[in-house]
Amino acid sequence: DTAVSQTPKYLVTQMGNDKSIKCEQNLGHDTMYWYKQDSKKFLKIMFSYNNKELIINETVPNRFSPKSPDKAHLNLHINSLELGDSAVYFCASSLWGLAGTDTQYFGPGTRLTVL
Amino acid sequence: SQQGEEDPQALSIQEGENATMNCSYKTSINNLQWYRQNSGRGLVHLILIRSNEREKHSGRLRVTLDTSKKSSSLLITASRAADTASYFCATDPPNSGGSNYKLTFGKGTLLTVNP
Repeated sequence: DTAVSQTPKYLVTQMGNDKSIKCEQNLGHDTMYWYKQDSKKFLKIMFSYNNKELIINETVPNRFSPKSPDKAHLNLHINSLELGDSAVYFCASSLWGLAGTDTQYFGPGTRLTVL
Repeated sequence: SQQGEEDPQALSIQEGENATMNCSYKTSINNLQWYRQNSGRGLVHLILIRSNEREKHSGRLRVTLDTSKKSSSLLITASRAADTASYFCATDPPNSGGSNYKLTFGKGTLLTVNP
């Protein structure tokens, strides 16, 4: 009964490759997010989608392209992977995503290692 | 830019002792939330305090908020080994509402509770 799930949990790949990470939530939430957590544990928002519509797009390279086929899914595709992309990527969801009292539910993370 | 800064960066205590972590932020906020992250897992929401509240309790957790000092503290009483985790504060500034809503996380405090 996982609320927010991500696949894969671990991803090891070579520089220059293209990879995708998938996220699904079964909470009925309207908003989903992608965060990047670096080696120093700093968690930074990358994107948010509300009902399949892109809401937040932080200063993320164009190589990162999110896709939301429906409000329960938010995938992240990364082109031409670079060493600096190595991090843990978290998907999260919240009920509305439009109010400060919204709490966020996080997936277990995907540890991406670029060699 | 980073909004929240937790202090200390790391804290090691014995089981049964109280643990206090602090969070300072730079701009005004609507709400402040605390999250816990166990090693290798996603973040879990603990408690939310609104900007017009000064103190809030939830089980063994006590959160205070001082908007004049732009700071918050999280107190865990009677700590247990299972409380070992990283603790993050997250804020949503006043201009972060509606379609601009987002949380900004600090770098976290790593709490180790020794049995």
